[in-house]
Amino acid sequence: AQKVTQAQTEISVVEKEDVTLDCVYETRDTTYYLFWYKQPPSGELVFLIRRNSFDEQNEISGRYSWNFQKSTSSFNFTITASQVVDSAVYFCALSELGLYNTDKLIFGTGTRLQVFP
Amino acid sequence: DAGVTQSPTHLIKTRGQQVTLRCSPKSGHDTVSWYQQALGQGPQFIFQYYEEEERQRGNFPDRFSGHQFPNYSSELNVNALLLGDSALYLCASSHWTGNTEAFFGQGTRLTVV
Repeated sequence: AQKVTQAQTEISVVEKEDVTLDCVYETRDTTYYLFWYKQPPSGELVFLIRRNSFDEQNEISGRYSWNFQKSTSSFNFTITASQVVDSAVYFCALSELGLYNTDKLIFGTGTRLQVFP
Repeated sequence: DAGVTQSPTHLIKTRGQQVTLRCSPKSGHDTVSWYQQALGQGPQFIFQYYEEEERQRGNFPDRFSGHQFPNYSSELNVNALLLGDSALYLCASSHWTGNTEAFFGQGTRLTVV
């Protein structure tokens, strides 16, 4: 069965600190997608990144970076120099590639990030 | 370009009643998926519609049903409401080819009393 674990329930940091959000996944599929979404208080899930299982190259986008390691089934997310506007709940998600499109997402329970000024 | 829009924003219903939630996908998208997010939890997949048919379904009872219209908009219906159905219901749209990520609406907050 597919499963996503985000062991960190809540993280609090002071502005400008770096913070890493952990994500561990389980799947028996050899092909799959991994995602990170941000959920601000408004409720809308904001897409951050999608990575397929064949691409283990780490990615950096501005202050955001992602570390994908198949050997440990982890897809961690780092925010560098955090800002108050980064405060939100962050979800890691997994979907399989198959007959249907990839939108049957399996979400973790989320990590609430609070950035204090 | 409007994103995914959901209505209503908030809703209060009584146990045993029925409810209908609505979703308009992002322009250019043809697939709609529905998720239930209980307080403090991650979203859970309910089902997905493409070409007006249910294509995939999560582990939800038959009280949860849906519909997709020719203009790709969708409805989620829940019958015989239970207190446990209280949650944020999120709609996501995408293109069937899977070449784009899913875009989510702001959700409908359903409270069952």
